[in-house]
Amino acid sequence: DARVTQTPRHKVTEMGQEVTMRCQPILGHNTVFWYRQTMMQGLELLAYFRNRAPLDDSGMPKDRFSAEMPDATLATLKIQPSEPRDSAVYFCASGLDQGAGYGYTFGSGTRLTVV
Amino acid sequence: AQSVTQLGSHVSVSEGALVLLRCNYSSSVPPYLFWYVQYPNQGLQLLLKYTSAATLVKGINGFEAEFKKSETSFHLTKPSAHMSDAAEYFCAVSRNTGGFKTIFGAGTRLFVKA
Repeated sequence: DARVTQTPRHKVTEMGQEVTMRCQPILGHNTVFWYRQTMMQGLELLAYFRNRAPLDDSGMPKDRFSAEMPDATLATLKIQPSEPRDSAVYFCASGLDQGAGYGYTFGSGTRLTVV
Repeated sequence: AQSVTQLGSHVSVSEGALVLLRCNYSSSVPPYLFWYVQYPNQGLQLLLKYTSAATLVKGINGFEAEFKKSETSFHLTKPSAHMSDAAEYFCAVSRNTGGFKTIFGAGTRLFVKA
């Protein structure tokens, strides 16, 4: 089965450090999403790309977060500097945007702990 | 604006009993609706989706959901719960706005008792 691959699976870092999370979407999918999941806030959409172009990053704190797609096989989410409140599970998902409802395929997530 | 409301953050059923997880949506235009399941330490997995074809949608693992426009609901059901169904379930809504994005509900954790 095709799958979305996220690395690393777990990351523990100190406050103030830079964190980079990577995602390899399913080959042929043209949309990529970054979600953050916490107990308090549930699933929050951070950023959304279509054909590698950012369409919506309104859910992302702009001062410290950045999301990019350097090519069709790689999406990155970067936090600089990281803070304890960024501790969460970050999910990448990919899908086909064909003008119809098409479910996403999620990766297994990156569990980030900022101490 | 579109949103989904899942009624009940926790639902507990006995093995073999009916599973009913409730979801209501709000959308100014016909939406696309989804149910996802999340097992511990895993990502979300698509269970089923409604895209304006049949109002009764069948998904994986014996789950189904019925779209009721008059009630703005998309409840998830399964006739007989299995222990392996214990997980968190998310209802989601999206629509094509020049590229659709999906909004998720808060989730309902399903517990299955032996």
